[in-house]
Amino acid sequence: DGGITQSPKYLFRKEGQNVTLSCEQNLNHDAMYWYRQDPGQGLRLIYYSQIVNDFQKGDIAEGYSVSREKKESFPLTVTSAQKNPTAFYLCASSIGGTGTVNYGYTFGSGTRLTVV
Amino acid sequence: DQQVKQNSPSLSVQEGRISILNCDYTNSMFDYFLWYKKYPAEGPTFLISISSIKDKNEDGRFTVFLNKSAKHLSLHIVPSQPGDSAVYFCAAFSSFSGTYKYIFGTGTRLKVLA
Repeated sequence: DGGITQSPKYLFRKEGQNVTLSCEQNLNHDAMYWYRQDPGQGLRLIYYSQIVNDFQKGDIAEGYSVSREKKESFPLTVTSAQKNPTAFYLCASSIGGTGTVNYGYTFGSGTRLTVV
Repeated sequence: DQQVKQNSPSLSVQEGRISILNCDYTNSMFDYFLWYKKYPAEGPTFLISISSIKDKNEDGRFTVFLNKSAKHLSLHIVPSQPGDSAVYFCAAFSSFSGTYKYIFGTGTRLKVLA
């Protein structure tokens, strides 16, 4: 059963710590994306990757880092440089390229990160 | 600069009536649009799409209208049901500079009252 899995569902971080959010897909999608959702802010793009070993900054990349070593995986690290990391994080994937237009994105169920 | 805007953060509608959610965009190069529905603590799910070569697309209770001259699209839900209560995002497809991604609006929270 194909899909996109985010883990953990809830994550607590102490100030000054880095944390990594996992995103795995078995849809054979080329492109993957990370979004952040805050109340009233909609979905803001953090990073995206159109192909393995390549990724680009989105609109709010500061304080975040990613890697794309495998097609199936696109982990997001929230570093201590991110001043307001408490949010709901969503990972998505798509076929990639022009195929993205017709099929859109498949989203994971999200990770809620809280700084304590 | 917000290229896709949903100016109504929330909307309340009585069960059985029509819900109309609006979305405006600024770039005439956008040529494909999607609507997503999102429940709390879940990922968004695809609802309906429309290509810029059309002005209407219908799927059951959901209809999306596109007015290209006004750079405006709307989602109509008829009749509205309590299970439709969710946040709705519109998204526009961007293929500029060799990148392919959707740009999302800020969302409208719909509440359908029983």
